[in-house]
Amino acid sequence: DGGITQSPKYLFRKEGQNVTLSCEQNLNHDAMYWYRQDPGQGLRLIYYSQIVNDFQKGDIAEGYSVSREKKESFPLTVTSAQKNPTAFYLCASSPRTDTEAFFGQGTRLTVV
Amino acid sequence: GENVEQHPSTLSVQEGDSAVIKCTYSDSASNYFPWYKQELGKRPQLIIDIRSNVGEKKDQRIAVTLNKTAKHFSLHITETQPEDSAVYFCAASKAGTALIFGKGTTLSVSS
Repeated sequence: DGGITQSPKYLFRKEGQNVTLSCEQNLNHDAMYWYRQDPGQGLRLIYYSQIVNDFQKGDIAEGYSVSREKKESFPLTVTSAQKNPTAFYLCASSPRTDTEAFFGQGTRLTVV
Repeated sequence: GENVEQHPSTLSVQEGDSAVIKCTYSDSASNYFPWYKQELGKRPQLIIDIRSNVGEKKDQRIAVTLNKTAKHFSLHITETQPEDSAVYFCAASKAGTALIFGKGTTLSVSS
């Protein structure tokens, strides 16, 4: 079954802790992305990667980090430096940047 | 970088009416313009897209138009149905850059 998978669906963390969100795809896509979705704010770009071992910051990268060691995986770490981390996080992938992006089902992160 | 503005933020129509959502973009080099639909609690899914070498594209009740000179593109939904109720996002990108999305339009279709 091909697709893009995010885990977990719901995540709770205590303030001051780092947390890593998983994103895996078996579509053989080169490009992968992380977006943050808040009510009324649309999808805001955190980081994206066009190829293994390379990634670029998006508009709201502060307080986040990523890695792209494998083509299939693009994990996102929400660090304690992110001032307002509670949000819905969406991962996506595409064959290249100017083509259709396919989204995972999202991870809802709540800081308690 | 690219900036995408989307209007209106909410849109209410009666079943059977048409709905139009408009977006403007800032980077004249952008060449790919998709529209996504996101139903409540679900992931965004592509409904139609257009490239800069095309002025209009249609798929059944959905159409997208692009005006490169004015840097705006629009989504047109005809004969709306209750199942069209969702949040719609426009986006823009070019080779080497990620999709930049508008803030979304919440469409409500009442029967």
